[in-house]
Amino acid sequence: NAGVTQTPKFQVLKTGQSMTLQCAQDMNHEYMSWYRQDPGMGLRLIHYSVGAGITDQGEVPNGYNVSRSTTEDFPLRLLSAAPSQTSVYFCASSYQGALGEKLFFGSGTQLSVL
Amino acid sequence: AQSVTQPDIHITVSEGASLELRCNYSYGATPYLFWYVQSPGQGLQLLLKYFSGDTLVQGIKGFEAEFKRSQSSFNLRKPSVHWSDAAEYFCAVGENDMRFGAGTRLTVKP
Repeated sequence: NAGVTQTPKFQVLKTGQSMTLQCAQDMNHEYMSWYRQDPGMGLRLIHYSVGAGITDQGEVPNGYNVSRSTTEDFPLRLLSAAPSQTSVYFCASSYQGALGEKLFFGSGTQLSVL
Repeated sequence: AQSVTQPDIHITVSEGASLELRCNYSYGATPYLFWYVQSPGQGLQLLLKYFSGDTLVQGIKGFEAEFKRSQSSFNLRKPSVHWSDAAEYFCAVGENDMRFGAGTRLTVKP
């Protein structure tokens, strides 16, 4: 199994550009989430989804959009990139949220916004 | 909203010495608590979790953690540290809206 796959692994954007970070999982997990990791701040939850068609905001949702049209995919969209969005982004999934199951993490996307 | 505090940004221990990483949480109900480890350039790996029952939980790689409701703590321990334990450790609390602490970086001296 591939697990949680994130693409791209690296990306450089200019301020104001838009892009989508892709996340796909092949474990039939209902729950998926996006985190950003910044030095000294740990992981902060951006958005999460408990199933297809359902999304909700996490701790730092501003500047990011998500959708969940299928169980497998949970893309993260940056509509107008800002330098403050320079970070490492992790997608995670689990069978039933955090309850009773661990989160499976992707390998991360390192994003730089100039 | 729930939150997690890891008071120690960086800890250095000698190989073979014991280890305790601190974690304090704020949560409105019975907490779901986790410890994850991240090696350099890697994703996160679950070490252990607590949902209910026995307050001392065993995890992988010889780690254990104790839930103390009165102190709102969930400290991670290991009796004898190995050089391969050098990594960053994250405590987390919550359900779908899971929150992570800022992490504790562990350095192991030979």
